[in-house]
Amino acid sequence: GESVGLHLPTLSVQEGDNSIINCAYSNSASDYFIWYKQESGKGPQFIIDIRSNMDKRQGQRVTVLLNKTVKHLSLQIAATQPGDSAVYFCAESPFNRLAFGKGNQVVVIP
Amino acid sequence: NAGVTQTPKFRILKIGQSMTLQCAQDMNHNYMYWYRQDPGMGLKLIYYSVGAGITDKGEVPNGYNVSRSTTEDFPLRLELAAPSQTSVYFCASSYGTGSYEQYFGPGTRLTVT
Repeated sequence: GESVGLHLPTLSVQEGDNSIINCAYSNSASDYFIWYKQESGKGPQFIIDIRSNMDKRQGQRVTVLLNKTVKHLSLQIAATQPGDSAVYFCAESPFNRLAFGKGNQVVVIP
Repeated sequence: NAGVTQTPKFRILKIGQSMTLQCAQDMNHNYMYWYRQDPGMGLKLIYYSVGAGITDKGEVPNGYNVSRSTTEDFPLRLELAAPSQTSVYFCASSYGTGSYEQYFGPGTRLTVT
């Protein structure tokens, strides 16, 4: 069936460097894509979203890129900080509900 | 605002027992959701509700039941608990259609032995 997934299970990043987390999706009907951050022992927290008619959206220190041609979504975190250590999930919404990927662990090295 | 609250935080059940996971939100959100998260996996939707009195199945509804008698509360009922229901359960809410920013509770860690 159609699914959302991530390429890399773990990303180790030096503090201050930029992080890039990738996600592949397969449902062409998805009209909305979202990134969530989950810190250990907590519920997911919304980071940023992007509609399917956009290819880039920026937030505070984060940028989401959408490439519909290859069905690829990425999250860029600028100047990664220790507080960015978490699991990051991409999610897609084809039918007013969210389908989550498996998650990508980001470890920030001080 | 307290946001989305869940009780209990932890629970151990024996096979065949039943329990209700409580979820409440004070943001006047119309939409509420129940997810389960297995180790190293993403979240899977169990049930959701678009308003009081309206519920619908998600991706993995078997073994669960829900009700939505008020806007604020969305309890999840487990009947005849099985080891396969060992998981972390998250409740979430959102404002409505077109609003994909879901607010999550802290989760309930359930173990069935």
